Amino acid sequence: QSALTQPASVSGSPGQSITISCTGTSSDVGSYNLVSWYQQHPGKAPKLMIYEVSKRPSGVSNRFSGSKSGNTASLTISGLQAEDEADYYCCSYAGSSHAVFGGGTQLTVL
Amino acid sequence: EVQLVESGGGLVQPGRSLRLSCAASGFTFDDYAMHWVRQAPGKGLEWVSGISWNSGSIGYADSVKGRFTISRDNAKNSLYLQMNSLRAEDTALYYCAKDGTVTTVSWADFDYWGQGTLVTVSS
Repeated sequence: QSALTQPASVSGSPGQSITISCTGTSSDVGSYNLVSWYQQHPGKAPKLMIYEVSKRPSGVSNRFSGSKSGNTASLTISGLQAEDEADYYCCSYAGSSHAVFGGGTQLTVL
Repeated sequence: EVQLVESGGGLVQPGRSLRLSCAASGFTFDDYAMHWVRQAPGKGLEWVSGISWNSGSIGYADSVKGRFTISRDNAKNSLYLQMNSLRAEDTALYYCAKDGTVTTVSWADFDYWGQGTLVTVSS
C-alpha cells in the first residue's frame, strides 16, 4: 500500500490552467475508475472535488476536471483563481477493501 | 444537512487504547459505507479504515491492521474506531468521512467529512 505519487507543489497565475498528476500502479489507479480528488484549505476538512476519475459533485465549479491514462490520474484547474490556493490530494481504490491517498500537492496562485 | 461529529480524541500514552466515535446526521446512515481518515500534524491524508453499510465489508490500512477495529451501530447512527497498542506515529487528526455511493462501497469517494478529533500519543 504505497502512497500515490503527486508533485509536492505547483503554481500558476490567475486565469491560467494547471494540472496535478497522481501516479499509482496497475494495482490501484490503473485497475479501477475509482480515483477522487480533494481540496484542503489550511485548518479545514478536505472537500471532494472529483470522484470516479472525472465526475464533479454538485456545487463544484466546472473549472475543475479530472482524467486518467494508464496508471496516472490528473486534476486540471482552468481559469485559476486566488481561492484555488490549497493542498490537493488524490485517492484511489487499491483493491481488497483498501484505499490509498497521494502525498498531496500544494497549489500556489501567484 | 449532513453532519459528522467526531469525539473521543485526547492525549494517551504509548501502548494504551482509545475509542473514537462519529455521530452522523442529515442522511440515511445505514445506506452508506463510512471511513476513518487521519492526518498527522503537517502531513498528508492517510486512509485508515472503512466499513460497508451492513458491516459486511471492512478494510484497514496495513499501518493499523491488527491494532485498530472499526465498527458501526446503525440504530445509533454512529461509527467507531477502537485503537489499541497506540504508537507515537498514530498521532494525528482523525476524520470521519461518508462514502459517496449508496448501498455499496466506493472506497475512494468521501463526499462529507467531519472536523476531526485529535489523538496525541506521547508519554
